[in-house]
Amino acid sequence: DIQMTQSPSTLSTSVGDRVTITCRASQSIDSWLAWYQQKPGKAPKLLIYKASILESGVPSRFSGSGSGTEFTLTISSLQPDDFATYYCQQYNSYATWTFGQGTKVEIK
Amino acid sequence: QITLKESGPALVKPTQTLTLTCTFSGFSLSTSGVGVGWIRQPPGKALEWLAVIYWDDDKRYIPSLKSRLTITKDTSKNQVVLTMTNMDPVDTATYYCAHSRGGSGSPQDYWGQGTLVTVSS
Repeated sequence: DIQMTQSPSTLSTSVGDRVTITCRASQSIDSWLAWYQQKPGKAPKLLIYKASILESGVPSRFSGSGSGTEFTLTISSLQPDDFATYYCQQYNSYATWTFGQGTKVEIK
Repeated sequence: QITLKESGPALVKPTQTLTLTCTFSGFSLSTSGVGVGWIRQPPGKALEWLAVIYWDDDKRYIPSLKSRLTITKDTSKNQVVLTMTNMDPVDTATYYCAHSRGGSGSPQDYWGQGTLVTVSS
């Protein structure tokens, strides 16, 4: 099985900060990676797919990069609405999906 | 407008079989590329992808739970059903169903609100 390691697990930050979250795969997954945002009590929301493609309607301050085994989600200038938990999700050669452990972005 | 809604028992006993239904609107599961999947989340923990069924009846399961899961679709009713056998307290979670487009490799772009299932005697 391909393992996903997401870091950090918690990020204390402030409005206006640039935020970077990393996801590492135990073996290459090309660009088969998605990022989600989840707020308490709500379903996840798709932000980015195929590592760098912004889902329709998602603000441009969100961006994704990477390929192979290392991926990054960047929020260029954190807004109050962005405090949430973020998950990466990989798609593997067995046509199944695996989520990372999540990164909670909280107010410093 | 795509919507999905999960339904099923809120409480099941250990060893029982859980049956969850996802009823959706705004798309057809007979359209090429479309899939409906299930994802769960134990309280305070991370998301766990469980299964997906595609328009062509292709089905995929998480390897660790494959022996306990069955996913089926009823295109005429716009429903997808997930059954999980031999339920255990560790299966207590919010269960979500979600839509995907573009065939295998496409992530989940629309989600239901989720339904909390508690496993307890």
